[in-house]
Parts: sequence; C-alpha cells; structure tokens
Amino acid sequence: QQQVKQSPQSLIVQKGGISIINCAYENTAFDYFPWYQQFPGKGPALLIAIRPDVSEKKEGRFTISFNKSAKQFSLHIMDSQPGDSATYFCAASKETSGSRLTFGEGTQLTVNP
Amino acid sequence: GAVVSQHPSRVICKSGTSVKIECRSLDFQATTMFWYRQFPKQSLMLMATSNEGSKATYEQGVEKDKFLINHASLTLSTLTVTSAHPEDSSFYICSARRVGAFFGQGTRLTVV
Repeated sequence: QQQVKQSPQSLIVQKGGISIINCAYENTAFDYFPWYQQFPGKGPALLIAIRPDVSEKKEGRFTISFNKSAKQFSLHIMDSQPGDSATYFCAASKETSGSRLTFGEGTQLTVNP
Repeated sequence: GAVVSQHPSRVICKSGTSVKIECRSLDFQATTMFWYRQFPKQSLMLMATSNEGSKATYEQGVEKDKFLINHASLTLSTLTVTSAHPEDSSFYICSARRVGAFFGQGTRLTVV
C-alpha cells in the first residue's frame, strides 16, 4: 500500500522558473517529512525537511509548504537551475519508527538552460 | 551533515558468488541502519532494518537467507548478497538512523 503519493512523475522547467513537486500522505501518525535529491548513480541527499507544527520552511531556494489538514506537502524550487536537474523524493516517517522512511515515487526534474 | 560511507560503489560478480557491501557512519554512532534496493527510475524499497547487536528485521518478501545483514558495531553494518543471481542486480543503498536518515552513496551490483 502506497502511503505517500508524489506528483508529477516528471517535470521540465526553464532556467529561472519555479519547480513545484507535490506529495500526499495517508498516515496521520507521520511527523517528519523530508525531501531528498538524487543524482544518477548516487545515494539520496537530504535537501530540506519539515515537521507538522509549521506550515512552511525555507532554506535558500528551497521551500516546503505543509498542509496538515489536507495531508499534503510540496517542494518549491525557486530560480531553478540546470544543476537542479535530478530526481526528487518526498518521504515521511514517524519519529518512533526511528527514521524508517516511506518514500514517494519520485519526480524527475529537468531544468533547461 | 552526517556522513554515511558505503563501499564498494560498484561491483560485478559471477552468478553463484557472494558479495559484501559495507555501510559506515563516519561521524556518529548509528544503532539502527536501513538497507534499501532501488531499480532504475523507481523509488527506494526498504529491504531490512539493521540493529546493532541484534538480528535484522526484514521486510515482507525479502529473503533473509539471501540478504544477510550484520550490524556488529555502532558504526558498521554489512549486507551480503549470497549466491547472487542476475535478478539480484540492482542499486543497493544504506542509511543510518538519525533525524533525516542520511544515506550512503549506493552500490551498483551487477551479477553476470
């Protein structure tokens, strides 16, 4: 059973544009929502994460928006750059599970020059 | 950020042989590590949870006798793929328990 649904599957954005990736979860016990960036042949790298007690978190060009009532969260990449081209995964976990993550399906982002 | 080192990054082995993959937490102690498998253009699939000093917990459908996990110290977990077959060819990734779960670089296993 897929507990975290991610969309879109792929995304093409022009340089300087905004990339938006969305995720929805089912398990209300989840209390930690990270986003990972993965380049081909590499392991995922933690990008930014949020807890449900805040609605937004910003780190540089990356922003997470969190809607607890809708059980949705999204990643916004401002001023997208070709170097941002990668696969992005949202994830969710319960703190009591000790970082056992449930991943979304992934979004392949391409930023054209 | 926390560093997790995985070795080797690539390995090619013959069918029927065994391959060991190491996962080390370099700057923190990890009582729990996780092993994932990833197929091309797919998400990460959790295979097992490795706990220091105790037996690993395997996800449903994962053969524990085929994928041997050992977590002998607070900084090292190993995954051994035994009697490897071509269908075991995949990208294997470990992560160490910490807020955010930091991942290793991954190991590309090719069984010929």
